Amino acid sequence: DAKTTQPTSMDCAEGRAANLPCNHSTISGNEYVYWYRQIHSQGPQYIIHGLKNNETNEMASLIITEDRKSSTLILPHATLRDTAVYYCIVRVGAGAGSYQLTFGKGTKLSVIP
Amino acid sequence: SAVISQKPSRDICQRGTSLTIQCQVDSQVTMMFWYRQQPGQSLTLIATANQGSEATYESGFVIDKFPISRPNLTFSTLTVSNMSPEDSSIYLCSVQDETGSSYEQYFGPGTRLTVT
Repeated sequence: DAKTTQPTSMDCAEGRAANLPCNHSTISGNEYVYWYRQIHSQGPQYIIHGLKNNETNEMASLIITEDRKSSTLILPHATLRDTAVYYCIVRVGAGAGSYQLTFGKGTKLSVIP
Repeated sequence: SAVISQKPSRDICQRGTSLTIQCQVDSQVTMMFWYRQQPGQSLTLIATANQGSEATYESGFVIDKFPISRPNLTFSTLTVSNMSPEDSSIYLCSVQDETGSSYEQYFGPGTRLTVT
């Protein structure tokens, strides 16, 4: 699976949009971009994933560049409960054999009142 | 999404002993995984728990140290054997959701293990 690069930490004011970048310049054509987050002392939580189109769900939006070498996770109105470590993971999709998730160090997002 | 429970939620154990962690899922799943998260670190995959056959271990993890059972499609156990302080970690079970097309993984709450 392709390697990802994320900033170590970010701050965001409560109520503002949090934009978390991720670089994955070696991504292959059959690899998806997945985002998970881990709130302190809990197991990781799935947020969203995408292949090449932008995606939106009730938690967040995922913007993937046209060349697919980077992406941005957007939390539109950050709350204190969004304080967590956010992991960007590149992985082959369904039916491709390996479903393993390889976690990097992630971005520690701190939402500030 | 699948609901996953783990027992125990935490434990403090003496070195040289063994601890078995249980993972229960509320629906049948094909793929179950065990991860370790050492203090201040990210998650590392230990093994894939295969139903009806031996688990598939990642590099650096061996069956003698981390025996895994998977008797059915909703349950698995991970044993941490002959523990040392270096085994102090959070151990997490996860499952692959194959009901939709996205195949995302869901994680249990974790078992916090401290070895003294």
